[in-house]
Amino acid sequence: ETGVTQTPRHLVMGMTNKKSLKCEQHLGHNAMYWYKQSAKKPLELMFVYNFKEQTENNSVPSRFSPECPNSSHLFLHLHTLQPEDSALYLCASSRGTGGTNEKLFFGSGTQLSVL
Amino acid sequence: QQQVKQSPQSLIVQKGGISIINCAYENTAFDYFPWYQQFPGKGPALLIAIRPDVSEKKEGRFTISFNKSAKQFSLHIMDSQPGDSATYFCAASLADSSYKLIFGSGTRLLVRP
Repeated sequence: ETGVTQTPRHLVMGMTNKKSLKCEQHLGHNAMYWYKQSAKKPLELMFVYNFKEQTENNSVPSRFSPECPNSSHLFLHLHTLQPEDSALYLCASSRGTGGTNEKLFFGSGTQLSVL
Repeated sequence: QQQVKQSPQSLIVQKGGISIINCAYENTAFDYFPWYQQFPGKGPALLIAIRPDVSEKKEGRFTISFNKSAKQFSLHIMDSQPGDSATYFCAASLADSSYKLIFGSGTRLLVRP
């Protein structure tokens, strides 16, 4: 195990639903990330949090709302999603964002299907 | 200029053969080049990484070759094993933001027994 746990593993939701993805890391890291992984496309960085503060938002639509209550937990709140939002959502953590050669530790992801 | 182009999209190799995956980049300011390995149902995991001050780095059966002038780098898997069957992603980042990886689109490797 990588020390990064994501729940649920699978999620099916309608376009009018509201759901949340959860991520927890047990590595003592200070930075946490949300990535979107779509088939045959590069991993897309969505959000970065460092010491609970959001430091990156890569022009993500507002229907995705992240929350980082502490350095160990990260949530992604979803509402009024579109079918094209169906993808694997990966959480990752690292020691921080200021070092060289930062190593990312990924969770196993939540496979999201929007109907 | 921020893209990393990866090829091939998929690769089939016989057990014991050499698997080669290539990546190219445009931004000469990139200075950290990791490779991540992802098994089905799992998240990517760091496999091996290189900085541009060396032309090659080897860890066991895995080798990164780096060509700074051509702005290309590649992953070689020697003596490929069925257990190496996975998707491989190259990535690149800038010196002052190594956490902000730009990933390639991935190569699905299948090693036949």
